[in-house]
Amino acid sequence: EVQLVESGGGLVQPGGSLRLSCAASGFTFSSYEMNWVRQAPGKGLEWVSYISSSGSTIYYADSVKGRFTISRDNAKNSLYLQMNSLRAEDTAVYYCARYGDYEYYFDYWGQGTLVTVSS
Amino acid sequence: EIVMTQSPATLSVSPGERATLSCRASQSVSSNLAWYQQKPGQAPRLLIYGASTRATGIPARFSGSGSGTEFTLTISSLQSEDFAVYYCQQYNNWPPLTFGPGTKVDIK
Repeated sequence: EVQLVESGGGLVQPGGSLRLSCAASGFTFSSYEMNWVRQAPGKGLEWVSYISSSGSTIYYADSVKGRFTISRDNAKNSLYLQMNSLRAEDTAVYYCARYGDYEYYFDYWGQGTLVTVSS
Repeated sequence: EIVMTQSPATLSVSPGERATLSCRASQSVSSNLAWYQQKPGQAPRLLIYGASTRATGIPARFSGSGSGTEFTLTISSLQSEDFAVYYCQQYNNWPPLTFGPGTKVDIK
């Protein structure tokens, strides 16, 4: 069974940093492209970042470019999101999501971890 | 960036009735469109990809159609567990991947 389990969320002050993790199991993690998607309270879904299976290709949404860094450790079956210079508008539930086998939709999602940026 | 819109914002339907949800793209996305269902407090769940292919385990009452810029998700006979928010997502031109704002299906 495919499982994605996020951790690392919490309350942080504006300008602060946080590192999210996503532990993957039930599939060959190193073969799959991965993403982070977020959802502000009561709002819709927003794609945040993408990383290829090897980690060689990375993309970011304009809203987080230069502040967030996505990475992965295939030996540990883990995906990460380093978030710096956090703003109030970064407050959201952050989901890790796996790309499908053949196309760029999200076939599995974690349960999400809440990040709250507030003083 | 491709902008996705969805209508209506809220759809009130009685159990057993048919629900028709619309999604529009600001430019052609071919058939590279997915639909997701999200219930309160839960992660989104993939329903449809390739505009019309049901994901594994999705009941046949869910169907998708369309191509280019106009897409439809139909739920043929609403069950109690289908009341949720539905999002469309294009993956034809990215980054960025973009979602529609969602349609909430609630009980009439």
